Amino acid sequence: DTQMTQSPSSLSASVGDRVTITCQASQDISNYLNWYRQKPGEAPKVLIYDASNLETGVPSRFSGSGSGTVFTLTISSLQPEDFATYYCQQYDSIPLTFGGGTKVEIK
Amino acid sequence: QVQLQQWGAGLLKPSETLSLTCAVFTGSFDNYYWNWIRQSPGKGLEWIGESDPTGSSNSNPSFKSRVSISVDTSKNQFSLRLTSVTAADTAVYYCARGRWLTMNTGYYFDYWGQGTLVTVSS
Repeated sequence: DTQMTQSPSSLSASVGDRVTITCQASQDISNYLNWYRQKPGEAPKVLIYDASNLETGVPSRFSGSGSGTVFTLTISSLQPEDFATYYCQQYDSIPLTFGGGTKVEIK
Repeated sequence: QVQLQQWGAGLLKPSETLSLTCAVFTGSFDNYYWNWIRQSPGKGLEWIGESDPTGSSNSNPSFKSRVSISVDTSKNQFSLRLTSVTAADTAVYYCARGRWLTMNTGYYFDYWGQGTLVTVSS
């Protein structure tokens, strides 16, 4: 299985801050990497697909980069609705796997 | 707007069979993959498996042979069966639509069900 490791596991930030989350794959997954945001009590929602493509309707403050084994999700200016948990997910090989999550909390 | 609505028993005893169904409203059932994903405090998000509309499926080997995913295209529904459940199967279970943007790139879960909490306890 391809293991996905996210860092940090949690962070505290303020509205307007720039936030970066990292996801590392245990093997080369090319750009087959998606990012999701999950608010409490809700299902995850896709933000970025194929490492760097913004899903339709997702605000442009979200961006993704990386390929191979190291990927990043950046939120350029944190908004109140962004205090949530973020997950990366690979689809290079079965089983599809998710990172452990990064919880973004209010400072 | 595509909607996925899921249902099934929320409380099971060890060794029983988990059974969940997900109905797809508004939108095509063809050309997508139909997935089950679960979330538990101990293991985070875990992909269980998927099926295409023909019933061809893939599942996570960690479930060994306990998982089966079936589709009913006449009702735009798909189902999950997980046999011989234990306390470790306690989780929120989600159904989700998987879409391919091209033949072999751009695969992600774009619509999800509301989630069903399944508790396994004697």
